[in-house]
Amino acid sequence: DAGVIQSPRHEVTEMGQEVTLRCKPISGHNSLFWYRQTMMRGLELLIYFNNNVPIDDSGMPEDRFSAKMPNASFSTLKIQPSEPRDSAVYFCASSLALAKQPQHFGDGTRLSIL
Amino acid sequence: AQSVAQPEDQVNVAEGNPLTVKCTYSVSGNPYLFWYVQYPNRGLQFLLKYITGDNLVKGSYGFEAEFNKSQTSFHLKKPSALVSDSALYFCAVRDRADSNYQLIWGAGTKLIIKP
Repeated sequence: DAGVIQSPRHEVTEMGQEVTLRCKPISGHNSLFWYRQTMMRGLELLIYFNNNVPIDDSGMPEDRFSAKMPNASFSTLKIQPSEPRDSAVYFCASSLALAKQPQHFGDGTRLSIL
Repeated sequence: AQSVAQPEDQVNVAEGNPLTVKCTYSVSGNPYLFWYVQYPNRGLQFLLKYITGDNLVKGSYGFEAEFNKSQTSFHLKKPSALVSDSALYFCAVRDRADSNYQLIWGAGTKLIIKP
């Protein structure tokens, strides 16, 4: 079975540009999570969706970040405008909406803002 | 408040020796506990979980973890380490009483297995 698929794997862009990260969750999973990982701050939850509805976006750093989940098989995380401090690895994870089920992670998008 | 502590930033073990990666947690109710492994340039991979029942849980790649309620710990163990076990390990917890599905994550422990 296909796991969580993220694209692109790597993104390098200049500050001020719009960045869109994409995620396809595992089929049948109804919870989706966006994380950011940096050396300084570790793994941070940005936002999570349940049945395509955003449940908790308290981890989104600021208004420059937005996330959508238009259907059960696709989600985007957008940064506009991007800044160098946004450089990080961004992960998407999905799970069944049951408390005892693990989250399954994609391989991430390594984002570099110059 | 819920929290997870991984007290060691790094653990060094010789190949063939047993390894332990420590995790302690704090939740208001009963926990669901998870261990994940992250290899370089990869996402986190689920290793094992404690839900209920036997305190010793077996998982992927020969790993196991022991749930200790009195010590609020969930240490990851392996009887004989392999060089290929070198990676970053994360412990995570969820309170069973929570209505959301978020995990509370530890900071991670870097495991280095020396030949």
